[in-house]
Amino acid sequence: EIVLTQSPATLALSPGERATLSCRASQSVSSYLAWYQHKPGQAPRLLIYDASNRATGIPARFSGSGSGTDFTLTISSLEPEDFAVYYCQQRRNLFTFGPGTKVDI
Amino acid sequence: QVQVVESGGGVVQPGGSLRLSCAASGFTFSNYGMHWVRQAPGKGLEWVAFIRYDGNDKYYADSVKGRFTISRDTSKNTLYLQMNSLRAEDTAVYHCANSTPQFWFDHWGQGTLVTVS
Repeated sequence: EIVLTQSPATLALSPGERATLSCRASQSVSSYLAWYQHKPGQAPRLLIYDASNRATGIPARFSGSGSGTDFTLTISSLEPEDFAVYYCQQRRNLFTFGPGTKVDI
Repeated sequence: QVQVVESGGGVVQPGGSLRLSCAASGFTFSNYGMHWVRQAPGKGLEWVAFIRYDGNDKYYADSVKGRFTISRDTSKNTLYLQMNSLRAEDTAVYHCANSTPQFWFDHWGQGTLVTVS
């Protein structure tokens, strides 16, 4: 089983600041990694797939990078609606999610 | 627009059974694989099961293998999750999501709560 680790667990920032979230895989997942945004009581939303491709309708302030075992999600300038929990997920070997990073105000 | 809506959650005793449904609309259901994902209280997301667009291949997380069965009815545009031998640790909000051709989790529902107690 491929285990995903995310850091930090919580990121406290202000609107307008840059957010950098990390995801590390226990073994190489190539570029088979996605990022999701989840707000309480709402459906999760696909942000980034194949490590660096933005999903349909996702603003350009969201970007993804990395390959192999180390990945980064960057939010260039936080908007009020971006405060949420972010999960990475791999599909190299079935499907697993990381534990999440909460981006807090 | 694409919409998936889960139903069928509730309270069930340990060892009991429950069947969840996921009604799909706004896309050609028969062309898309489908996932179930759950979130236990205070925990993160956990993938549960996947079924290919034609229903011929099914995959399960180890934690539910042998107890849960994913299926689909194309005539009703509906995805199902039959859950047997339920345990307290199966307590969670269960989401369905349609799959992109590359198996990413595309459009999600808001979920249905299953409580095993």
